[in-house]
Amino acid sequence: AQTVTQSQPEMSVQEAETVTLSCTYDTSENNYYLFWYKQPPSRQMILVIRQEAYKQQNATENRFSVNFQKAAKSFSLKISDSQLGDTAMYFCAFMKLDTSGTYKYIFGTGTRLKVLA
Amino acid sequence: DVKVTQSSRYLVKRTGEKVFLECVQDMDHENMFWYRQDPGLGLRLIYFSYDVKMKEKGDIPEGYSVSREKKERFSLILESASTNQTSMYLCASSSPPLAGSPLAKNIQYFGAGTRLSVL
Repeated sequence: AQTVTQSQPEMSVQEAETVTLSCTYDTSENNYYLFWYKQPPSRQMILVIRQEAYKQQNATENRFSVNFQKAAKSFSLKISDSQLGDTAMYFCAFMKLDTSGTYKYIFGTGTRLKVLA
Repeated sequence: DVKVTQSSRYLVKRTGEKVFLECVQDMDHENMFWYRQDPGLGLRLIYFSYDVKMKEKGDIPEGYSVSREKKERFSLILESASTNQTSMYLCASSSPPLAGSPLAKNIQYFGAGTRLSVL
């Protein structure tokens, strides 16, 4: 069974600095997808960034980038120039498409990030 | 913009009550999901549905059932609420992956959540 581990329950970072959130996963599959979702306080969860496992190039979305190490099964999220609005719970998620065409996500336990003014 | 609406943000129920949590999406998505979110446990899948009147158990289906009579609506039912079902419940929807374009529509869109307290 696939598992997703986020080893940092809480983190903090000063505004304008860079922070990296770690995520590791366990799977025997070769084709899968990885995601980072953000859940701001009392607001809806939204997608931050996604990565296809077959792509070697790390995904980037503005200030958000990932360091995808497939052999190490590691998928960390780097937030550059942190802003107060980045304060949120961040979830790492793994998704695999079955041969039957069905799929589901497996989420990590989350990292609560606080950006300090 | 995709909109996933959960009928209640906060709900307080008594032990033994039958509880309905409603979720509606407006993007004609085939797939809908119910998760519960607990501190230190992340999101755990309760049930999901890939089509109308179709449902599949997730990782923690015990004590829950679901209903999907219409494509846009996916209901979570607690037949007899218990205190250990006090939690945040999140609904999500998505389109299935397209053949030849694996990640085209794999994004899950979430509702704002329903915080359920069972007393």
